[in-house]
Amino acid sequence: SYVLTQPPSVSVAPGQTARITCGGDFGTNTVHWYQQKPGQAPILVLYDDTVRPSGVPERFSGSSSGNTATLTISRVEAGDEADYFCQTLGHSETDLAVFGPGTQVTVL
Amino acid sequence: HLQLQESGPGLVKPSETLSLTCSVSGASITSDSTYWGWLRRPPGKGLEWIASVYYNGHTYFNPSLKSRVAISVDSSKRQFSLNLTSVTAADTAVYYCARHDTELYNYFDPWGQGTLISVSP
Repeated sequence: SYVLTQPPSVSVAPGQTARITCGGDFGTNTVHWYQQKPGQAPILVLYDDTVRPSGVPERFSGSSSGNTATLTISRVEAGDEADYFCQTLGHSETDLAVFGPGTQVTVL
Repeated sequence: HLQLQESGPGLVKPSETLSLTCSVSGASITSDSTYWGWLRRPPGKGLEWIASVYYNGHTYFNPSLKSRVAISVDSSKRQFSLNLTSVTAADTAVYYCARHDTELYNYFDPWGQGTLISVSP
């Protein structure tokens, strides 16, 4: 089955930059990113590799090159502490969604 | 604005069937190019997509769960539902419903608040 990889955890000091990677054989498919805080539902923070939905701060940005997509959080705030998941299309025509294992971001 | 709300039993016994319903408000459940999906997050694990349905009944399933899953839409009630058969402890999770954009980008947004389902005797 199709597997995406993410680092289990990233720690960052307030005001610094956090970078979360997502590895996989994306082909021509794009990657989407979700933020999930404890006890809350996931929120879409980036789609189509780089696009921020309305209401998501500009501090959240994305990029993708080859087999790695990256979510970058600039000027990290305490409120950014959460689990972050990448998601893309599966490899079969009916497997519409595969998620990475998630990265826990801790703000020091 | 679009809102989704899950409802379910909370506790299900092993080998039984889990039934969940998602109520949609703030938008039409028959919107063009909009699928409606179910996802879950087991405790201590990551997110997993289960299945998605279009208002005309067309469906997509996670291959690993397909044999145990049924998904349907009731447009008159603005609801869509999930049935998961032969549940085990591994099906214990917070279950979410979400709008599934499949036309262009294939992402899930927004999500319901989630409902915790425990599988226990």
